[in-house]
Amino acid sequence: EPEVTQTPSHQVTQMGQEVILRCVPISNHLYFYWYRQILGQKVEFLVSFYNNEISEKSEIFDDQFSVERPDGSNFTLKIRSTKLEDSAMYFCASRATGSNYGYTFGSGTRLTVV
Amino acid sequence: AQSVTQPDIHITVSEGASLELRCNYSYGATPYLFWYVQSPGQGLQLLLKYFSGDTLVQGIKGFEAEFKRSQSSFNLRKPSVHWSDAAEYFCAVGAKEYGNKLVFGAGTILRVKS
Repeated sequence: EPEVTQTPSHQVTQMGQEVILRCVPISNHLYFYWYRQILGQKVEFLVSFYNNEISEKSEIFDDQFSVERPDGSNFTLKIRSTKLEDSAMYFCASRATGSNYGYTFGSGTRLTVV
Repeated sequence: AQSVTQPDIHITVSEGASLELRCNYSYGATPYLFWYVQSPGQGLQLLLKYFSGDTLVQGIKGFEAEFKRSQSSFNLRKPSVHWSDAAEYFCAVGAKEYGNKLVFGAGTILRVKS
């Protein structure tokens, strides 16, 4: 079964550093998403991306965050200057078009900011 | 605003007993409904989904859920719980009218006692 692949699985970074989280969505999916889950809390929507642009973003997704689809396969989330409160599990998801709503999550990147 | 409520933070059941996890939603549109399971430190695995049609949906691992529009509920059930079912369960709701992003409940942690 097709998978959404995220790398790395775990990243530790110092406060103030830039991080890039990488995702390879399912190849025929056109909608891409980032979600985050702070430890012990619910999964929260960050941003959706379609047709090479952001289609929606939450209030969490401030100027420190950006997303990019640099080539035909990767979808990245960049945090410019990490803060302690950015420590969380970040999930990438991709979705097919049509009524099937084939929404698939990756296994996540655990980001720890120290 | 869209919201998803999982009223039970923790549930403990004996192995072999039946299980019902509750989910209520508040949405101003026809929702798509999902249940995901997450083992500690792992990603989100889709158990089942409802888009339309038969309101009783079958999922993986012997789980089922019933959509009740009149009660705005989508409760997850399993007739006989196994120790390996211990995990956290998330209900999620999406709708085309809200950009298809998913809104998650806070999760229910299931403990299974032998």
